[in-house]
Amino acid sequence: KAGVTQTPRYLIKTRGQQVTLSCSPISGHRSVSWYQQTPGQGLQFLFEYFSETQRNKGNFPGRFSGRQFSNSRSEMNVSTLELGDSALYLCASSVRWTGMNEQFFGPGTRLTVL
Amino acid sequence: GENVEQHPSTLSVQEGDSAVIKCTYSDSASNYFPWYKQELGKRPQLIIDIRSNVGEKKDQRIAVTLNKTAKHFSLHITETQPEDSAVYFCAASRGQAGTALIFGKGTTLSVSS
Repeated sequence: KAGVTQTPRYLIKTRGQQVTLSCSPISGHRSVSWYQQTPGQGLQFLFEYFSETQRNKGNFPGRFSGRQFSNSRSEMNVSTLELGDSALYLCASSVRWTGMNEQFFGPGTRLTVL
Repeated sequence: GENVEQHPSTLSVQEGDSAVIKCTYSDSASNYFPWYKQELGKRPQLIIDIRSNVGEKKDQRIAVTLNKTAKHFSLHITETQPEDSAVYFCAASRGQAGTALIFGKGTTLSVSS
């Protein structure tokens, strides 16, 4: 089975722009979660989706949004980019939307905001 | 809010020694506690996990213990090898619903030969 894939792998944007990141889960996985990883804050939960519905949201401003499609692929969008948004954005997929399920991470998208 | 504290932030051991990493969590509703290993430039990979109804779990050289009363859990690696060098993250489920994880800040483990 192919693993979780994320595109693009690297992005460079300037302040004020917006960006869309994509995540394709493992085939058969219906839950997708997004995380932001930075050296200072570590891995922080952004939001999770299951069956095209956002089920849970972390403590990030409304500039961060996401969605999930009927094929379980997910996108996240960051509008009005700030320097502090520079980070590795990881998505993770799991079979179900219930706790105690192994999450498989993608390779991440490295976003640099100049 | 939910919080996971992880210690130590760095750990250096000699090959063959044991390594222990400790985490505490704040949400008493958390019921799933995975540990991830992240090598430089790579994605986090699950190495072991434990559920709230289990006190200890072992997988070869790796073991995890959970004390629900004290709200802490630990990772034990025995007979460490240079390839164990990586950043290790503990995590706790955000309550009982959903797959959201709250992560500790990570421990950089260095194993020297």
